[in-house]
Amino acid sequence: SQQGEEDPQALSIQEGENATMNCSYKTSINNLQWYRQNSGRGLVHLILIRSNEREKHSGRLRVTLDTSKKSSSLLITASRAADTASYFCAPGSGGYQKVTFGTGTKLQVIP
Amino acid sequence: GAGVSQSPRYKVAKRGQDVALRCDPISGHVSLFWYQQALGQGPEFLTYFQNEAQLDKSGLPSDRFFAERPEGSVSTLKIQRTQQEDSAVYLCASSLASTGFNGYTFGSGTRLTVV
Repeated sequence: SQQGEEDPQALSIQEGENATMNCSYKTSINNLQWYRQNSGRGLVHLILIRSNEREKHSGRLRVTLDTSKKSSSLLITASRAADTASYFCAPGSGGYQKVTFGTGTKLQVIP
Repeated sequence: GAGVSQSPRYKVAKRGQDVALRCDPISGHVSLFWYQQALGQGPEFLTYFQNEAQLDKSGLPSDRFFAERPEGSVSTLKIQRTQQEDSAVYLCASSLASTGFNGYTFGSGTRLTVV
């Protein structure tokens, strides 16, 4: 398994602005997932992008994957106060998709 | 059930006490994971089950930690002789097997405080 490293560690934006978070990893993957965690709660799966995909959309979320650079980005458009949370990337590989999480990006959306 | 259920939601244990944390995964999910999350950190992998088989326990921090999933559904994480450094949120996640994998579903976690 491998750990994703999120960047930046913290991000503060105004409501309505876009938020971009980046993830880097070290070895080849089958897929990469993004999760959100509100304070004191479990992680919520947002989106999964497979290694043969370059871009994926889900509502206000846009994820890109560049396997040559071993990086991914998560874009949240038209942010809302409810988007305030920590965001984690999870590179998946191996037979049972074991992932190791980094410390995440803490996003604060100011109303 | 519709989601992954963990109980209890909160647990306060005196140092030296044994605790048992329960996870009810989504019905039909083959894979089950346990993670430990300290305050301000990301979740740390503890152990993985495929059905009833514990295939990876490399993340268990000491022999005081023990996990089981005897019938391939409900799992229990047991911590013996708890210590203050065991204070954390313990998360359970389940998923379909590799061929149908589409991400993990996490429970809300059990917050363990050792006093």
